[in-house]
Amino acid sequence: DAGVIQSPRHEVTEMGQEVTLRCKPISGHDYLFWYRQTMMRGLELLIYFNNNVPIDDSGMPEDRFSAKMPNASFSTLKIQPSEPRDSAVYFCASSQHRETEAFFGQGTRLTVV
Amino acid sequence: KNQVEQSPQSLIILEGKNCTLQCNYTVSPFSNLRWYKQDTGRGPVSLTIMTFSENTKSNGRYTATLDADTKQSSLHITASQLSDSASYICVVSGRGMRFGAGTRLTVKP
Repeated sequence: DAGVIQSPRHEVTEMGQEVTLRCKPISGHDYLFWYRQTMMRGLELLIYFNNNVPIDDSGMPEDRFSAKMPNASFSTLKIQPSEPRDSAVYFCASSQHRETEAFFGQGTRLTVV
Repeated sequence: KNQVEQSPQSLIILEGKNCTLQCNYTVSPFSNLRWYKQDTGRGPVSLTIMTFSENTKSNGRYTATLDADTKQSSLHITASQLSDSASYICVVSGRGMRFGAGTRLTVKP
């Protein structure tokens, strides 16, 4: 397996634009996590899914953020409209169970100007 | 105040030396504690996962300890290598997931 695959690796967009980040988890993993990392705030869990169902979205900062998992092999994190303070590295991770090792993707570096 | 405090914030050691990183937490209830290694520009990689009943776990030259009574964990790195230079992040799960700010380790030749 190629591991968790995220796209794009880098995204630069203007304030107000819609941004969609994509993630393909490891096949057979039932859990998918979205994280955000900044210098100021470190790593933060935004939302996680179990069997494609959102379980905990308490970390999603605002209504501008939404995440979906239409099937077991694909998830998206959407920001609409984007703001400069959304600039961060967004990671997707997957695991077989909630308590087992989570494997991270390479991340998407988002810059909102 | 963060529920997961890591120390030191940064650390520089010479190659071949040992070091210990600390993680103190106040998260309750407690489910598990994880240590991750994150190289610059890459995603975190899991080193160890410990539950309440485990007080030590090793992964090669990395050994994590957990004292659930005092809510303290440590990550000991033996015979450090240049490739150990990275950030080490402690993550404590309970009802939610709480992250430490990380320790930035630099191993110099």
